[in-house]
Amino acid sequence: SYVLTQPPSVSVVPGWTARITCGGNDIGTKSVQWYQQKPGQAPVLVIYYDSDRPSGIPERFSGSNSGNTATLTISRVEAGDEADYYCQVWHSNSDHYVFGTGTEVTVL
Amino acid sequence: QVQLVESGGGGVQPGRSLRLSCAASGFTFRSYTIHWVRQAPGKGLEWVAVISYDGSSKFYADSVRGRFTISRDNSKNTVYLQMNSLRREDMAIYYCARSSSYSRSSPFDMWGQGTMVTVSS
Repeated sequence: SYVLTQPPSVSVVPGWTARITCGGNDIGTKSVQWYQQKPGQAPVLVIYYDSDRPSGIPERFSGSNSGNTATLTISRVEAGDEADYYCQVWHSNSDHYVFGTGTEVTVL
Repeated sequence: QVQLVESGGGGVQPGRSLRLSCAASGFTFRSYTIHWVRQAPGKGLEWVAVISYDGSSKFYADSVRGRFTISRDNSKNTVYLQMNSLRREDMAIYYCARSSSYSRSSPFDMWGQGTMVTVSS
């Protein structure tokens, strides 16, 4: 099965930049999505197709994907960005959808 | 209002069955692929199953294949998840989510609020 590995937690000072990685074998050949989930709420799509932003998502959220690592970058972090973040891909070999292990972002 | 609303969750004993529903409104339901994703208490997201826009194609996670069945009724704008032989490890919040039928790698761009399934004796 295909595995996506994320750091369990990332801490960041307000106004600084948070980078969340998502590691997977040749993930650069896949389309990566990123979801934000705040406590008690359903996930929300923040980045799709590696680097596209849905309407309503601030430009502070950006994504990249190459080689074995995809990255979600949150610039000028705000207190409201505190949440769990998950990467996700479609694994064509198995026709399964895979979520990363999730990263808790804490704003100090 | 554009939304997905899950229902049917509740408490059930191990080995018993439960059927979840996901009702859509505000968009052309029959044009979208629908997924079920679950989240065990304090854990991450786990994809469970997917059904194509017309119901002709279905895929399941290994953890539920043979026990869970996904189906849809486009006349009722509803997707179902029939869960049989439930196990304690199936206890989770179950979300339905939609994705475009254009591509298998399309994002999950809308999610329901989730319905809780508790499996306990």
